[in-house]
Amino acid sequence: KAGVTQTPRYLIKTRGQQVTLSCSPISGHRSVSWYQQTPGQGLQFLFEYFSETQRNKGNFPGRFSGRQFSNSRSEMNVSTLELGDSALYLCASSLSSQNRGKGEKLFFGSGTQLSVL
Amino acid sequence: GESVGLHLPTLSVQEGDNSIINCAYSNSASDYFIWYKQESGKGPQFIIDIRSNMDKRQGQRVTVLLNKTVKHLSLQIAATQPGDSAVYFCAEKSPYAGGYNKLIFGAGTRLAVHP
Repeated sequence: KAGVTQTPRYLIKTRGQQVTLSCSPISGHRSVSWYQQTPGQGLQFLFEYFSETQRNKGNFPGRFSGRQFSNSRSEMNVSTLELGDSALYLCASSLSSQNRGKGEKLFFGSGTQLSVL
Repeated sequence: GESVGLHLPTLSVQEGDNSIINCAYSNSASDYFIWYKQESGKGPQFIIDIRSNMDKRQGQRVTVLLNKTVKHLSLQIAATQPGDSAVYFCAEKSPYAGGYNKLIFGAGTRLAVHP
């Protein structure tokens, strides 16, 4: 079974631009989460989607947004890029929503390395 | 509150020794915990998980211990191998996310295995 696939692998943008990152979850997984990883702040939760609905959002400005499609694939968008947005953006998928209240393991992709110049 | 990782301690061990990686978590109400391994250029890879109704769980060469009294997790790796060299993260499921999966990650520990 293929793992979580993220594209592109690397991206270079300039300040003020916007960017869209893509994530395909493991087949059969319906929940997709996004995390930002930086050397200074570590891994920080961005948002989580299930059935095209955002269920949770982290403490990030409104410039960070996302969506999920009916096939569970997800995209995240960052508008008006800032230098501090340079990071590894990780997507993770998990199996189902029926385990509300119970934790379930997340499976991560290799990430998109975004550099803002 | 949320844990924020600012430091990355390093644990250096000899090949064949046992390794113990420690982690303090944030919320006494957290009920699910995961250990991840991250190698350079890759995303975090699931190692083992544990629920709060357990205090120990064993996998292949790995054991996770949970001490809820002091909000502490540890990951024990038996007979550490060079391929175990990576950054290890503990993560707790946030108790403030409506029951859904939102993980709070620790700062990470770099494990360096020397031959």
